[in-house]
Amino acid sequence: IQLTQSPSSLSASVGDRVTITCRASQGISSYLAWYQQKPGKAPKLLIYAASTLQSGVPSRFSGSGSGTDFTLTISSLQPEDFATYYCQQLNRYPLTFGGGTKVEIK
Amino acid sequence: EVQLVESGGGLVQPGGSLRLSCAASGFTFSSSWMSWVRQAPGKGLEWVANIKQDGSEKYYVDSVKGRFTISRDNAKNSLYLQVNSLRVEDTAVYHCAREYSSGWYGIDYWGQGTLVTVSS
Repeated sequence: IQLTQSPSSLSASVGDRVTITCRASQGISSYLAWYQQKPGKAPKLLIYAASTLQSGVPSRFSGSGSGTDFTLTISSLQPEDFATYYCQQLNRYPLTFGGGTKVEIK
Repeated sequence: EVQLVESGGGLVQPGGSLRLSCAASGFTFSSSWMSWVRQAPGKGLEWVANIKQDGSEKYYVDSVKGRFTISRDNAKNSLYLQVNSLRVEDTAVYHCAREYSSGWYGIDYWGQGTLVTVSS
């Protein structure tokens, strides 16, 4: 199952609302996770089951979607949110990640 | 505190082998599916393999099938990845990872990774 993330990069300002999309090549129900990765660090789980916020993750992050189309939204971008974001499907082997979306400071 | 500490990476020639290890602590290792995920320099994440709690099920990405073998020793709280017939394109940081809720919810803990460099 291929996951296509868009955009591959974006520039945004602190306080902006940011939306990242992840499209699956076939239906994956709600078996989708979102991660944040900062340079030189391991990824961090943000959202699982497409829309459930992982414990400790700020509420400005939210996820939605099912089937083939998914969205990660950051309601008000904070300085610590500048990072690369990945989606991952867990519906079928081999598990796959999207190509990533780099969120940069405008 | 959950900790995953990888070791065993290094520089190896094409066709060579390595055994990557991951020491787990801070959780019940024998109750968790475990994965290896790699990231080539400057590239995205790639899931490599995972293994069920008792080792009875193992899955691999197509590009490593027949060359890589995932295994675990629950008595030692350790995960392994035997990597054989290495190719230049296998160069990456290899992360050990714990799957959340038997994998249905993604990966909730990651190690910092061990770098494998395949070069002549």
